[in-house]
Amino acid sequence: SAVISQKPSRDICQRGTSLTIQCQVDSQVTMMFWYRQQPGQSLTLIATANQGSEATYESGFVIDKFPISRPNLTFSTLTVSNMSPEDSSIYLCSVEGWGRTDTQYFGPGTRLTVL
Amino acid sequence: GESVGLHLPTLSVQEGDNSIINCAYSNSASDYFIWYKQESGKGPQFIIDIRSNMDKRQGQRVTVLLNKTVKHLSLQIAATQPGDSAVYFCAENTYQGAQKLVFGQGTRLTINP
Repeated sequence: SAVISQKPSRDICQRGTSLTIQCQVDSQVTMMFWYRQQPGQSLTLIATANQGSEATYESGFVIDKFPISRPNLTFSTLTVSNMSPEDSSIYLCSVEGWGRTDTQYFGPGTRLTVL
Repeated sequence: GESVGLHLPTLSVQEGDNSIINCAYSNSASDYFIWYKQESGKGPQFIIDIRSNMDKRQGQRVTVLLNKTVKHLSLQIAATQPGDSAVYFCAENTYQGAQKLVFGQGTRLTINP
């Protein structure tokens, strides 16, 4: 199976700053996804990122707060902008399954703490 | 609205016993379901999936049961081991114009020695 990596694995940031999270896959995929997992909570989809098109955001998430890039079929970034303590979460990227497009496989996550 | 939920937030079982984790879903249009395991500090790991044209699917030590009549999903883990301790999430693919997974709230499974 393919390897999905995220950078950074964790970070502690100050209020008002921005952090860009990278997601790298070692095989080409069409669809990549970004999720937020607040402390002790389940996963919530932020947006779907397809290469060559604008990301599609879920209700409650906006591009100004969570800009996403998808420059090629193996890489995506999520930026958390103008952070507040409420943004403290685990941010996860996932990719659609290879040959199993209904399924998603997840990266290890980025644990963000905002002070 | 659509939602996927779990009946029990925590479950403790003795090592070697079988465990059953339950999940209720509300979107009758969903036709694909996945169970994930999330260990501390890691991303969710795919365990097993099932399509709505099936009632049961077995993997290695795991079985997923689907009851479409009552919109209920369960994950059975046989002969539990300490490494099974994790949070387990069910997810449904709602296909809202494109693939979209909706996750349940999760059940924390603890295996007691």
